Amino acid sequence: EVQLVESGGGLVQPGGSLRLSCSGTGFTFRNYAMHWVRQAPGKRLEYVSGISRNGDSTYHADSVKGRFFISRDNSKKMLFLQMSGLRPEDTAVFYCVKASNYNLWTSNPDSWGQGTLVTVSS
Amino acid sequence: DIQMTQSPSSLSAAVGDRVTITCQASQDIGHHLNWFQHKPGKAPKVLINDAATLETGVPSRFTGRGSGTDFTLTISSLQPEDFATYYCHHYATLPYTFGQGTKLETK
Repeated sequence: EVQLVESGGGLVQPGGSLRLSCSGTGFTFRNYAMHWVRQAPGKRLEYVSGISRNGDSTYHADSVKGRFFISRDNSKKMLFLQMSGLRPEDTAVFYCVKASNYNLWTSNPDSWGQGTLVTVSS
Repeated sequence: DIQMTQSPSSLSAAVGDRVTITCQASQDIGHHLNWFQHKPGKAPKVLINDAATLETGVPSRFTGRGSGTDFTLTISSLQPEDFATYYCHHYATLPYTFGQGTKLETK
């Protein structure tokens, strides 16, 4: 059974940094593209970042470009999201999402984690 | 970015009812559409991919239809466990974008 478990969320001050992690088990982690999606309170879900199976291709939404960086460690079956320059509007539940194959651009997401809450506030 | 318009935003129904949720894309996305179910505190669960393909283990009372810009999710006979929030989203290109969600509540 596919399991995605996020960690690393918490309270951070505006301008601060945080690193989210996602552990992926129950599947061959290195074979699949992975994504981060977030949902701010009362807002619709928003795509954040994606990474190819070997990490050589990444994508970041315009709203986080230059501030967030997605990476992965296939040997540890881990996905990361390094977030810096955090703003109050980044407050959201962040979900780790597995793609259905290696294709970063058009493979359908087929599994989600439960999410980790990031709160940006002074 | 492709805009996804989902309706209704909320729906009251009873066990046994048939309900339909619609999703419209701002441009042609082919069949690149998922429907998923989300319950508070739980991981979202993908129900349908490629607009009409049921994910493994999903009951056959869930049906997805459509292509291009117009899509529907139908639950033929609501069960108690179906009361949740439902979302559509496209994966035709990045960034994926999402409908605003439909909260299905018990009447």
